[in-house]
Amino acid sequence: DSGVTQTPKHLITATGQRVTLRCSPRSGDLSVYWYQQSLDQGLQFLIQYYNGEERAKGNILERFSAQQFPDLHSELNLSSLELGDSALYFCASSVQPGVYYEQYFGPGTRLTVT
Amino acid sequence: AQTVTQSQPEMSVQEAETVTLSCTYDTSESNYYLFWYKQPPSRQMILVIRQEAYKQQNATENRFSVNFQKAAKSFSLKISDSQLGDTAMYFCAFNHGGATNKLIFGTGTLLAVQP
Repeated sequence: DSGVTQTPKHLITATGQRVTLRCSPRSGDLSVYWYQQSLDQGLQFLIQYYNGEERAKGNILERFSAQQFPDLHSELNLSSLELGDSALYFCASSVQPGVYYEQYFGPGTRLTVT
Repeated sequence: AQTVTQSQPEMSVQEAETVTLSCTYDTSESNYYLFWYKQPPSRQMILVIRQEAYKQQNATENRFSVNFQKAAKSFSLKISDSQLGDTAMYFCAFNHGGATNKLIFGTGTLLAVQP
């Protein structure tokens, strides 16, 4: 158990819908990362937050957005869902954003778009 | 752009044997970190081992060790005394830090340990 929690574990929804994935980082971790794991794109970085502020963006679609709240939990919002958005979405956290600090991964949320 | 390549989609090894997983990467950075992550059937991402590029000594963690060849941009993982619990997908990953601190992953190698 990494100490990072993600809810829900599984999510099944229809095309065109909107969903919110939630992540609680390990106690004391200020930085949160979101990754997407899909069959065709593999594992790719989406976005990073540090202490409530967006720090870096990766291959995140405009239909996706995220935020980190004052209590440091983070939410990833996916809208106008398409079949290709079906994937495993991981949240990771680290104490600080620097590379010296290990990223601890949550168990992931499996999203299925039908 | 940094890329990570794992050329072995699947590998198989007998229990108690040794297996080596390959990884190559491309970067123009001089200082960076390399990682091997394990993803068992539970889908949890577990850090196996990490290597700092400026350290010449290869990292080891119990039965896991790496062969880091900086000039060749090669970073292989050796698993000794393979156990059934080692069955998993293994991902090689690169991080050069900086503002993004993002992990760039390879496509993975599915390792099956046979009894």
